[in-house]
Amino acid sequence: AQKVTQAQTEISVVEKEDVTLDCVYETRDTTYYLFWYKQPPSGELVFLIRRNSFDEQNEISGRYSWNFQKSTSSFNFTITASQVVDSAVYFCALSEYNNNDMRFGAGTRLTVKP
Amino acid sequence: DVKVTQSSRYLVKRTGEKVFLECVQDMDHENMFWYRQDPGLGLRLIYFSYDVKMKEKGDIPEGYSVSREKKERFSLILESASTNQTSMYLCASSNTGLEANYGYTFGSGTRLTVV
Repeated sequence: AQKVTQAQTEISVVEKEDVTLDCVYETRDTTYYLFWYKQPPSGELVFLIRRNSFDEQNEISGRYSWNFQKSTSSFNFTITASQVVDSAVYFCALSEYNNNDMRFGAGTRLTVKP
Repeated sequence: DVKVTQSSRYLVKRTGEKVFLECVQDMDHENMFWYRQDPGLGLRLIYFSYDVKMKEKGDIPEGYSVSREKKERFSLILESASTNQTSMYLCASSNTGLEANYGYTFGSGTRLTVV
């Protein structure tokens, strides 16, 4: 079965600092999908990005960027010039092509201080 | 706006009670899921359903059951609530086929406390 590891339990940064959240995954499938979700204090998970296993291009969306490396089974998430509103728990998740059930990492709690 | 609605935001129940957590989606999604979220453990899959009247066990089904009588509704049942089932419960839905891996839509969660 698939597995996702987020080794960083909590990270604290000061506003405007860059921060990278790590995600390492395990799967036997050659086709799979990786996700990042944000969970703000309100509790609802917000979808951030989806990446399939055949697309290793890095992606940038505003202050957010994602680095997908199959060689190290990693899908790391970087926030540039962090803001207080970025404070949340961030989850990395994996879904295998033939299984619609998604597995999540333990989450990383990011605190951005003013 | 598409929605997954969980009937209660906060719930307090007594040990031994039978507890129903309700989830309704308005997106005509085939797949529905129940997770529980605990600090340091992330989201763990309890049960999921690919279709009406179908159910599959996730990673931690013990102590839970589910019901899906209609496509839009997926209920999680705690047959006899115990204190170790105190947790945040999250419902999600997704489409099937190629669209399935576009991610889930989550509800706001139900924080259940068993005393």
